[in-house]
Amino acid sequence: EVQLVQSGAEVKKPGATVKISCKVSGYTFTDYNMHWVQQAPGKGLEWMGLVDPEDGETIYAEKFQGRVTITADTSTDTTYMELSSLRSEDTAVYYCATGWSGFFYWGQGTLVTVSS
Amino acid sequence: EIVLTQSPGTLSLSPGERATLSCRASQSFSSSYLAWYQQKPGQAPRLLIYGASSRATGIPDRFSGSGSGTDFTLTISRLEPEDFAVYYCQQYGRSLSGFTFGPGTKVDIK
Repeated sequence: EVQLVQSGAEVKKPGATVKISCKVSGYTFTDYNMHWVQQAPGKGLEWMGLVDPEDGETIYAEKFQGRVTITADTSTDTTYMELSSLRSEDTAVYYCATGWSGFFYWGQGTLVTVSS
Repeated sequence: EIVLTQSPGTLSLSPGERATLSCRASQSFSSSYLAWYQQKPGQAPRLLIYGASSRATGIPDRFSGSGSGTDFTLTISRLEPEDFAVYYCQQYGRSLSGFTFGPGTKVDIK
């Protein structure tokens, strides 16, 4: 069974950095790109970027370019998403997701709250 | 960057009725790279359709997808109580420089 298990909720102050993890199991980690998706409260889904676990190549959405870093650790089958210079608008649930044609598998989501 | 528009924003229907959801792209792309997702409150999205018309594993056959070019449709033939949710379309593929989602269509109970 494929599972994507994310780290727990975070509360951060404006200007801080948050790093969320997503550990996968049930398939070969390097087979598929890992993606991260943001969902602000009551809003839609926004793709943030991806990492290819095989070679570490990344692609980021323009909106998050310069603030987001996505990495993959093949020794632990874990992907990480780091978002810096946090502001109130970054309060959201963040999902990791993967698949070979569309996002077949999703993590449970991690709530990040940015508040002073 | 391809921009996706979904209509209507909200669809109010009764169980047993047919739902037709639209997704329009700002430029044409291969239907191989169009997906539909369902999301219920407090849950992660679930993949329904990929490649515009292929159902993901375990998805009931009342869900079907069609379309090509810039116009795509998700049809739910007969709404079940568990189908009332928000539906998103997505274009995906590195060659398309992104994996953007549409704004979503909420299907709620009339």
